[in-house]
Amino acid sequence: NAGVTQTPKFQVLKTGQSMTLQCAQDMNHNSMYWYRQDPGMGLRLIYYSASEGTTDKGEVPNGYNVSRLNKREFSLRLESAAPSQTSVYFCASSEDRGYSTDTQYFGPGTRLTVL
Amino acid sequence: SQKIEQNSEALNIQEGKTATLTCNYTNYSPAYLQWYRQDPGRGPVFLLLIRENEKEKRKERLKVTFDTTLKQSLFHITASQPADSATYLCALDRYNQGGKLIFGQGTELSVKP
Repeated sequence: NAGVTQTPKFQVLKTGQSMTLQCAQDMNHNSMYWYRQDPGMGLRLIYYSASEGTTDKGEVPNGYNVSRLNKREFSLRLESAAPSQTSVYFCASSEDRGYSTDTQYFGPGTRLTVL
Repeated sequence: SQKIEQNSEALNIQEGKTATLTCNYTNYSPAYLQWYRQDPGRGPVFLLLIRENEKEKRKERLKVTFDTTLKQSLFHITASQPADSATYLCALDRYNQGGKLIFGQGTELSVKP
């Protein structure tokens, strides 16, 4: 099993450009998440999806959109990138059997720089 | 506002010693607390989970305690090894909010031979 995969690994954008970060998991998990990680800030939740077809905002959703394409895939879109979105983005998934104890499995991250 | 704090300064210890990392929280009543390990350039990896009604949890050389009165969790690595060098993140779970976690900023541990 590959676990959680993310593409691309690195990306440089100019202010105003758009892009989509891709995430896929092969563990048949119900829930998927997008986080950003900035120095000294820890991981902050951008959006999450509790099941196929549902998405909800996290702590820092402004400037982002998401799509839960199917059970495996959860994409994050930046419509008009800003320098403040320079960060490392992690996708994660969890089985989420309805309890709050599910652990999360993370992808390797996408390092995004917005100039 | 809800806040989670971990030791902001890096922790440097000698091989063979016990490393103790701290996670404090305020204005919050978590049901569960999780600890993750993150190596440079990689995503976090789950290590241990402890419930609010558990005082202590062990896994091999790892031990986690959870004191809901002090609002604190301690993470111990006994007989530390250079391979234990990494950043360790604590994360708190929320009641009735599925798997949404709040993460601390992490503590960097360096174990010297």
